[in-house]
Amino acid sequence: GAVVSQHPSWVICKSGTSVKIECRSLDFQATTMFWYRQFPKQSLMLMATSNEGSKATYEQGVEKDKFLINHASLTLSTLTVTSAHPEDSSFYICSAGIGVIRAGQPQHFGDGTRLSIL
Amino acid sequence: SQQGEEDPQALSIQEGENATMNCSYKTSINNLQWYRQNSGRGLVHLILIRSNEREKHSGRLRVTLDTSKKSSSLLITASRAADTASYFCATGGSGYSTLTFGKGTMLLVSP
Repeated sequence: GAVVSQHPSWVICKSGTSVKIECRSLDFQATTMFWYRQFPKQSLMLMATSNEGSKATYEQGVEKDKFLINHASLTLSTLTVTSAHPEDSSFYICSAGIGVIRAGQPQHFGDGTRLSIL
Repeated sequence: SQQGEEDPQALSIQEGENATMNCSYKTSINNLQWYRQNSGRGLVHLILIRSNEREKHSGRLRVTLDTSKKSSSLLITASRAADTASYFCATGGSGYSTLTFGKGTMLLVSP
């Protein structure tokens, strides 16, 4: 149980392209999903917290207009990297908590999306 | 800012040996969790220990927590090649749902 599907797993595209990444909870409802960015051999950096039916909460330093987050249903959150540039190349990972998330609740992760901008 | 700091950064052992990873954190916590990440994949939750617990076991995993020292350790006993992965500690505070991850320990278990 508690499976999170992330799609696509790998994207290579030209600079200036917008890329949408989907994160789905397959067998549970997720009021809250999280989006992380991970550079090679480094830790996860929280980008934003996505709440169903409301605006996402972005971490300091993360551009809201650059990384658009939509959480339109209890099983789907999307991250759109707008006008992507080479510096946006990274590994993006989503996670979700089951139901209405509680403080410090374990998160269930997707398999990540490797984004490469040429 | 990063909360957890794991050490060592990398650990190489032989199958059958035990692997110990440590995590230190800075502020008060509600709980501490350990996750595993296989190369190029997402994270898998391994175990959660609450701030009022000192030790917890799950299969070959043993986690300790010392809130006075703001530190935790993860012990993997009788390691297997399949345990090769990066291991991260993550702390959850009270009152908010986000987790803060440490830098991780890369574990290599050789057959």
